[in-house]
Amino acid sequence: QKEVEQNSGPLSVPEGAIASLNCTYSDRGSQSFFWYRQYSGKSPELIMSIYSNGDKEDGRFTAQLNKASQYVSLLIRDSQPSDSATYLCAVNGRYSSASKIIFGSGTRLSIRP
Amino acid sequence: GAVVSQHPSWVICKSGTSVKIECRSLDFQATTMFWYRQFPKQSLMLMATSNEGSKATYEQGVEKDKFLINHASLTLSTLTVTSAHPEDSSFYICSARDDIATLSTDTQYFGPGTRLTVL
Repeated sequence: QKEVEQNSGPLSVPEGAIASLNCTYSDRGSQSFFWYRQYSGKSPELIMSIYSNGDKEDGRFTAQLNKASQYVSLLIRDSQPSDSATYLCAVNGRYSSASKIIFGSGTRLSIRP
Repeated sequence: GAVVSQHPSWVICKSGTSVKIECRSLDFQATTMFWYRQFPKQSLMLMATSNEGSKATYEQGVEKDKFLINHASLTLSTLTVTSAHPEDSSFYICSARDDIATLSTDTQYFGPGTRLTVL
């Protein structure tokens, strides 16, 4: 079982609709959860971080965390063509004192006009 | 906001040569930096954790003698790819954790990446 799992996609969503991205993780002790956006040929850009159960909203983005189910999601409202990118779910790993982050393989999102 | 720079942004070199990539935190101190490698259409793979003033911690399967890491100051880490070969061609990305912000979060800030092509 992978440590952080995401559906690779591509996920195609019409412009203006809600895009829903999902991620599951294996380490129950994980404390920090992140969503990064990566455009082709560019490095990842932090979109959201979430640390406690429930929802966290920032503009058009909402991150949802359910530690009991080991599940974290990202909702993008009013999807725009510029949201087309690969979204990486990341979870902190507790395997070393460096608190390294484990990345999922990413979900490719395509917003169709 | 926290800014991380990398230099160079791209480099082309001949097989057998060494290439040094710099990673700098511009407006914060970073005791810990991370080096990742990303092949086309694949996710980020952590190569090593760079610790200021001490030896880097390498991930399993990463050759420490081939990928030399030096973290000489709180704002600079370097990755040297020694005796580069075509299979080392990849997108190398560093990230850094803000020492102060780390007290409440372990967010990593990424540099723009360095695209290495070995001929």
